[in-house]
Amino acid sequence: DIQMTQSPSSLSASVGDRVTITCRASQDISNYLAWFQQKAGKAPKSLIYAASNLQSGVPSKFRGSGSGTDFTLTISSLQPEDFATYYCQQYNGYPPTFGQGTKVEI
Amino acid sequence: EVQLVESGGGLVQPGGSLRLSCAASAFTFSSYWMYWVRQAPGKGLVWVSRINSDGSETRYADSVKGRFTISRDNAKNTLYLQMNSLRAEDTAVYYCARGGAYSNSPWDYWGQGTLVTVSS
Repeated sequence: DIQMTQSPSSLSASVGDRVTITCRASQDISNYLAWFQQKAGKAPKSLIYAASNLQSGVPSKFRGSGSGTDFTLTISSLQPEDFATYYCQQYNGYPPTFGQGTKVEI
Repeated sequence: EVQLVESGGGLVQPGGSLRLSCAASAFTFSSYWMYWVRQAPGKGLVWVSRINSDGSETRYADSVKGRFTISRDNAKNTLYLQMNSLRAEDTAVYYCARGGAYSNSPWDYWGQGTLVTVSS
């Protein structure tokens, strides 16, 4: 299985900050990388697919980049509604696998 | 608006069975691969099973192989997960998610989840 490793596991930030989360795959996944946001007690929400493409309706303050094995999610100007847990996922290899999550806290 | 609505969760004793359903609406259900993902309390997301658009191909995580069965009824726009021989470690919120036209298409929509608790 392809292992997905996110860092950090958690971070503290303030409203207005810019934060960056990294995700590393254990082997080359090209750009078959997605990012999901999950708020406490809620279902995951798709933010980005193909490493850098925003899902419909997702604000441009979310930016994804990378290819191969190293990827990043950058959130600019953090707002209260952005405090959540973020997961990366590779969907090229079988089985699809998720990172362990990064909790963004105030 | 695309909607996925899970149902069928609940409390079940070890060794018991449950069938989860995921009702889809506002899209051509029969054109999409579908997935089940679970999340144990306080833990991360784990893929459980997938099924292709016409139901002819299914795959399972090793942890549920031989105990869980994924299926779909395209006429009823509904995805299912039959769970047998349940164990305490199967306790989780179960989500259905929509893929795309291919096995390596990105996922976009998720249901709200249904909680399965396996306990005596």
